[in-house]
This record gives sequence, structure tokens and C-alpha cells, in this order.
Amino acid sequence: DIQMTQSPSTLSASVGDTVTITCRASQIIDRWMAWYQQKPGKAPTLLIYRASTLESGVPSRFSGSGSGTEFTLTISSLQPDDFATYFCQQYNTFSQTFGQGTTVDIK
Amino acid sequence: QVQLVESGGGVVQPGSSLRLSCAASGFTFSTFPMHWVRQTPGKGLEWVAFIAYDGTNKYNADSVKGRFTISRDNSKNTLYLQMNSLRPEDSAVYFCVKNRVTSGKDAFDVWGQGTMVTVST
Repeated sequence: DIQMTQSPSTLSASVGDTVTITCRASQIIDRWMAWYQQKPGKAPTLLIYRASTLESGVPSRFSGSGSGTEFTLTISSLQPDDFATYFCQQYNTFSQTFGQGTTVDIK
Repeated sequence: QVQLVESGGGVVQPGSSLRLSCAASGFTFSTFPMHWVRQTPGKGLEWVAFIAYDGTNKYNADSVKGRFTISRDNSKNTLYLQMNSLRPEDSAVYFCVKNRVTSGKDAFDVWGQGTMVTVST
């Protein structure tokens, strides 16, 4: 299986900050990368697919970049609703795998 | 609106069986591939199984191969996961998940609320 290494595991930030989360794949996955947001007790919601395409309805302060093995999720001007856990996912193979998650909490 | 509602979770003993169901609404269920994904605090999110829109192709994670079977009834807009020979490490929240597109690789754009499975003596 392709391993996804996500960092950092925790990130403390303030409203208005710009934060960046990184995901590294153990093999080349082209741009078959998605990012999800999850709040406590809820299911994940899709933010970005194909590395950089914003899902409908997701605010434009979320952006994704990368290809091959290195990917980033950037949240510009962090809002109170953005404090949550974020996961990356590779779907290059049927055995899709997820990163371990990054929790963005209030500094 | 587009919705997935899981049911069938519970507390069972090791070696037992359980069948999860997922009722879909708000989209043309019969045209979309579907998946099951599970989540634990320790192991995070783990993809479990995939089924093609018509049920002709199925894939399982190695961790459940030979024990779990994914299926669907397009006439009932329902996805299933038959889980046999359950182990404590199968304890998790199980999510029913919709593929974003009708064919090809893609992300998961709709998730159910999840159903908890606990395998314990």
C-alpha cells in the first residue's frame, strides 16, 4: 500500500493566520490527492480533489497544490469554523490510503 | 438533498457476524461506485471496500479480505457490508461513502454519519 505521511500532527494558530499542511506519498500518485476536513463527532467533508480542485461550496481560502509525491493544503486567513482536523487521501490505487491527520487548534 | 444513512452497527463478540446497511437518497445511486471506510482513534481512516455502480467489480482491503463482503441493491438504493469472523481490531466507526464521479478514480464527495461497530468479549 502507498503510505501517506502527513505533517504536522498538530498545529496551533490564530484567526487570520495562514496555515500549511503537508502530505508526502511513498510512491508517485500524479495528482490523485484529496483533502478532507473533519469536526468532532462528524464525518469528513471533501475540500479538494485532484490535488488542487476546490469542491463546490468550499471557501476559496482553501487551496491545494502539488503533484507526484509532495502535496500541500493551505488555509489563508483562518476563520473560527476552520479549527478542525484535516486528512489527505491518495486515490491512485484501489487501496486508497489516508494521512494520519492534522488537528488545527486555537493558539 | 444527497444523503447516506448507515445502520446495523452494534456490540458483538469476536467471531460473530454483522451486516451494515446504507440507505442512499438524493442522487442516482445506481450510477455511482460506492465504498466503505472505517475510522478508529488509533489507526485513523482506513478504506475497507469498493463496489462498482452495477456490482460487477469489488475490491477489499487486505485486512478484511475473505471476511467482509460488499454488495448493493440498486432497486432499493442500498449498500451493504457483510462482516464475518469479526475481530477486536475491526472495532471502528464505519462510513458509507459515495465516489465523486460515476467512473474512474476520484475522491469521496458524500459520507454517511457513520455507524459504530464494537467487537469485544
